[in-house]
Amino acid sequence: GQNIDQPTEMTATEGAIVQINCTYQTSGFNGLFWYQQHAGEAPTFLSYNVLDGLEEKGRFSSFLSRSKGYSYLLLKELQMKDSASYLCAPMDSNYQLIWGAGTKLIIKP
Amino acid sequence: GAVVSQHPSWVICKSGTSVKIECRSLDFQATTMFWYRQFPKQSLMLMATSNEGSKATYEQGVEKDKFLINHASLTLSTLTVTSAHPEDSSFYICSATSGLADTGELFFGEGSRLTVL
Repeated sequence: GQNIDQPTEMTATEGAIVQINCTYQTSGFNGLFWYQQHAGEAPTFLSYNVLDGLEEKGRFSSFLSRSKGYSYLLLKELQMKDSASYLCAPMDSNYQLIWGAGTKLIIKP
Repeated sequence: GAVVSQHPSWVICKSGTSVKIECRSLDFQATTMFWYRQFPKQSLMLMATSNEGSKATYEQGVEKDKFLINHASLTLSTLTVTSAHPEDSSFYICSATSGLADTGELFFGEGSRLTVL
């Protein structure tokens, strides 16, 4: 079967760094997406990894290890507006995104 | 990035009526559009995938006669919830791509919150 495993909720302090881990099992693999979703809003694209390694984009970085079925999203210099849910979504062999429940990130002052 | 517009953002209707939600790609041709439903505090659930000019492919458990999807052009897909009932109240989101294999990116509409009384 296909499944995604992410922590349900994480708490971090403004200005700090947080790493959100994701492990996955899919039928085939065509890359992995990370999305940010604020409550009541649609998800917004953060990153896409298809090769192993780290992709850096400003304060956000995403890492992928295909052999381990593992990815993480790293958020630096946390801001209050980063409080949101973060969705890890691998793409299977049919180019279908497999969605987990996401990780709710709470930022405290 | 590319823009996907969804309308209406909010809709309240009476039980038994039908509601149409539109999803438009404003600055690119969307060969594939996806429709999702999201209940509070739950993950996105893919309802169906539609390719321009062909019938939508529905996920298991989604009634195609209840959730009518039309993708008549490369910039417009519509979802019609027929004979809506209170249990259909949810957040409906569309997304569009010009080709996932090429761009690796999916663009989301703003979402439509449906409340059925």
